[in-house]
Amino acid sequence: KAGVTQTPRYLIKTRGQQVTLSCSPISGHRSVSWYQQTPGQGLQFLFEYFSETQRNKGNFPGRFSGRQFSNSRSEMNVSTLELGDSALYLCASSLAVKRNHEQFFGPGTRLTVL
Amino acid sequence: KQEVTQIPAALSVPEGENLVLNCSFTDSAIYNLQWFRQDPGKGLTSLLLIQSSQREQTSGRLNASLDKSSGRSTLYIAASQPGDSATYLCARTADSSYKLIFGSGTRLLVRP
Repeated sequence: KAGVTQTPRYLIKTRGQQVTLSCSPISGHRSVSWYQQTPGQGLQFLFEYFSETQRNKGNFPGRFSGRQFSNSRSEMNVSTLELGDSALYLCASSLAVKRNHEQFFGPGTRLTVL
Repeated sequence: KQEVTQIPAALSVPEGENLVLNCSFTDSAIYNLQWFRQDPGKGLTSLLLIQSSQREQTSGRLNASLDKSSGRSTLYIAASQPGDSATYLCARTADSSYKLIFGSGTRLLVRP
């Protein structure tokens, strides 16, 4: 079974631009979450989607948004990029059944903002 | 504030040693606790998940325990190998949501 895939793997953008990252969950997984990882702040939760609905959102500005499609694939968008948005963006998927919330992560997208 | 603390921040051991990584959390209202490993520049690999009704989980040389009353989880690695060198992260969910709250990790180096 294929794991969580994320595209692109690397991105270089300049301040003020916008970027869209894509995540394909493990087949059959309905929950997709996004995290930002930086050396200073560690791993921080961005948002979680289930059945095309955002169920939970972290403490990030409105420049960070996301969506989920009917096939459970998800995208996140960051508008008006800032230098501080440089980070590894990780996507995780979960089968989302009963009390088993085990989450499986993709390889991440490394975003560099110049 | 829901905080997760991991001690030590870094650990260097010779190959073959048994070792324990610690994870503590401030809120005992835990739903799930999950241990991950992360290799440099890579994503996270799930190691073990402990549900709140469980006390421990085992996978191969790894054993994770959960003590909700003391707000602690430990990851035990038996007979460590150089391939175990990585950063180990614990993360909890506080409710039925999927929001993981991560510790800052323990960077492990197993010397040949």
